[in-house]
Amino acid sequence: AQSVTQPDIHITVSEGASLELRCNYSYGATPYLFWYVQSPGQGLQLLLKYFSGDTLVQGIKGFEAEFKRSQSSFNLRKPSVHWSDAAEYFCAVEPYNNNDMRFGAGTRLTVKP
Amino acid sequence: NAGVTQTPKFQVLKTGQSMTLQCAQDMNHNSMYWYRQDPGMGLRLIYYSASEGTTDKGEVPNGYNVSRLNKREFSLRLESAAPSQTSVYFCASSEEEIYTGELFFGEGSRLTVL
Repeated sequence: AQSVTQPDIHITVSEGASLELRCNYSYGATPYLFWYVQSPGQGLQLLLKYFSGDTLVQGIKGFEAEFKRSQSSFNLRKPSVHWSDAAEYFCAVEPYNNNDMRFGAGTRLTVKP
Repeated sequence: NAGVTQTPKFQVLKTGQSMTLQCAQDMNHNSMYWYRQDPGMGLRLIYYSASEGTTDKGEVPNGYNVSRLNKREFSLRLESAAPSQTSVYFCASSEEEIYTGELFFGEGSRLTVL
């Protein structure tokens, strides 16, 4: 079955530490891949996306993600986390531009001072 | 810039009552969407509209109806609310003439059905 999996429900990191959020997908072919961030009480905002080409993509707010076809993964990374990064992060996939974007369950990030 | 505006932001209903969630976008986008967000389940697509006058079912359409009133507005109606429809509802829009894949979201409408 087609699915998007975010294995970590909740992650806590110290401010200044590095961050990696995991995302795996199960689709017949590589879909379009996205990471969104949701701050408390807000809607979702696009961080970055991958369609094709260079497997390391840069996004806003200092985030990057790496697509690994062999692992069906699209993990989100940031070298140094800031307190303002505390939020919920969603991985999403859209097969072939078909208006049916599917979201993972989300990973909630807590940042310790 | 307003972007995507949803009303109301909060609503409490009793089982069996009806209500309509309103959504409007000012970005001249063709496509609009309604999602629901439930803990541990991420966002799930209820309905979408690829253009004015068209609507299509998403992953979880049962119990909902939608209307694409014009290019700006896309409403979601619950005819007979059930406790299982307690959720946070998000409207989103996207520009599909030049595909970017980016969805622009409203701030959400929190609905509680007692």
